[in-house]
Amino acid sequence: ETGVTQSPTHLIKTRGQQVTLRCSSQSGHNTVSWYQQALGQGPQFIFQYYREEENGRGNFPPRFSGLQFPNYSSELNVNALELDDSALYLCASSLDVSGANVLTFGAGSRLTVL
Amino acid sequence: AQSVTQLDSHVSVSEGTPVLLRCNYSSSYSPSLFWYVQHPNKGLQLLLKYTSAATLVKGINGFEAEFKKSETSFHLTKPSAHMSDAAEYFCVVSEETSYDKVIFGPGTSLSVIP
Repeated sequence: ETGVTQSPTHLIKTRGQQVTLRCSSQSGHNTVSWYQQALGQGPQFIFQYYREEENGRGNFPPRFSGLQFPNYSSELNVNALELDDSALYLCASSLDVSGANVLTFGAGSRLTVL
Repeated sequence: AQSVTQLDSHVSVSEGTPVLLRCNYSSSYSPSLFWYVQHPNKGLQLLLKYTSAATLVKGINGFEAEFKKSETSFHLTKPSAHMSDAAEYFCVVSEETSYDKVIFGPGTSLSVIP
């Protein structure tokens, strides 16, 4: 079975720009969650997608948005980038929306905002 | 409200000696508890999971954790550290029915001295 893949692995943007991060979920998983991990901290929940709909959001502003496609892959979009958006963005897929499910993580996309 | 406390931000052990990484949690319900490991430049990997079955949970690579409800603890142990165990470890608490109640602790960095 394939795991979770994320692209790009690294990218550098400037303040005010927009970025799109991509994630392919593990085979058989229909739910994708996105996390932001700042340096030296634990991952923070951004939002979750299930059946192509946003299924919940953490404490992040609307300039963080996403999509899920029929093949369950997903995108994270961030508009009007700020310096504090610099972080590792992790995508995780799971069997369904239950919090008891194991999350399968990708290696992450490291975003640097200058 | 749920929360996770990892009592040590950094732990250093000698190779071949026991490992103890401490985690305390608070939850309004019977939670699921997880330990994930993050090696440098890699995604998070599940070590083990507790979901109200046996209180002593065995995971991969010789790790195990004991759920103690009276102490609200879920400490991670390993009898003998290996150099490859050096990584960041995250304790996670989750409510089964809620996507946004997956809470990561701040992490414990484990160093293994040869």
